[in-house]
Amino acid sequence: EAGVAQSPRYKIIEKRQSVAFWCNPISGHATLYWYQQILGQGPKLLIQFQNNGVVDDSQLPKDRFSAERLKGVDSTLKIQPAKLEDSAVYLCASSLVEGAGSPLHFGNGTRLTVT
Amino acid sequence: GQNIDQPTEMTATEGAIVQINCTYQTSGFNGLFWYQQHAGEAPTFLSYNVLDGLEEKGRFSSFLSRSKGYSYLLLKELQMKDSASYLCAVRDEGGSYIPTFGRGTSLIVHP
Repeated sequence: EAGVAQSPRYKIIEKRQSVAFWCNPISGHATLYWYQQILGQGPKLLIQFQNNGVVDDSQLPKDRFSAERLKGVDSTLKIQPAKLEDSAVYLCASSLVEGAGSPLHFGNGTRLTVT
Repeated sequence: GQNIDQPTEMTATEGAIVQINCTYQTSGFNGLFWYQQHAGEAPTFLSYNVLDGLEEKGRFSSFLSRSKGYSYLLLKELQMKDSASYLCAVRDEGGSYIPTFGRGTSLIVHP
């Protein structure tokens, strides 16, 4: 099966600019996650979708970050305006069901550098 | 909230056995995952434990003790390609089953 697709692979922007990331989950996976991974740290959840509804966005900095999952498939994550501390890898993951034992399948991520 | 603790870095010799520990403190527990992440790549799923005991899968095994809030990943017959970061992630009892990740343990395998 095809894996989780993300684009772009790399992005360099200046602070205060905006940026958007795209994710296409594994076909049939209802649950989609966006994680932020800062160098040397584990992934930190930003938002979880179940189909096209938000399950948890408690750790999403809503003053600058937004995400949507139209039609319950593809998802986009946007940052506007970006700050230096947003430099990180943004990982998208999907899982077949929301159940406890269902593993997450990750994309290769988008490496964002904010200068 | 959740607190997950792993050693930052470990080194081992090719062919040896290494044990990577993970301790956690959570408001509830609904399973523990181990992921492997090579530099610049996506994390890949290794194992899942929800009941106490040892789960074996080839050269990799994972152990869980829920009463102690403790898990370990055991890697046998180490190979150079096992050099990677190993992430422990815990799911709480909340309805969303969201896994929270530890910082990861960077394993360096040398000849």
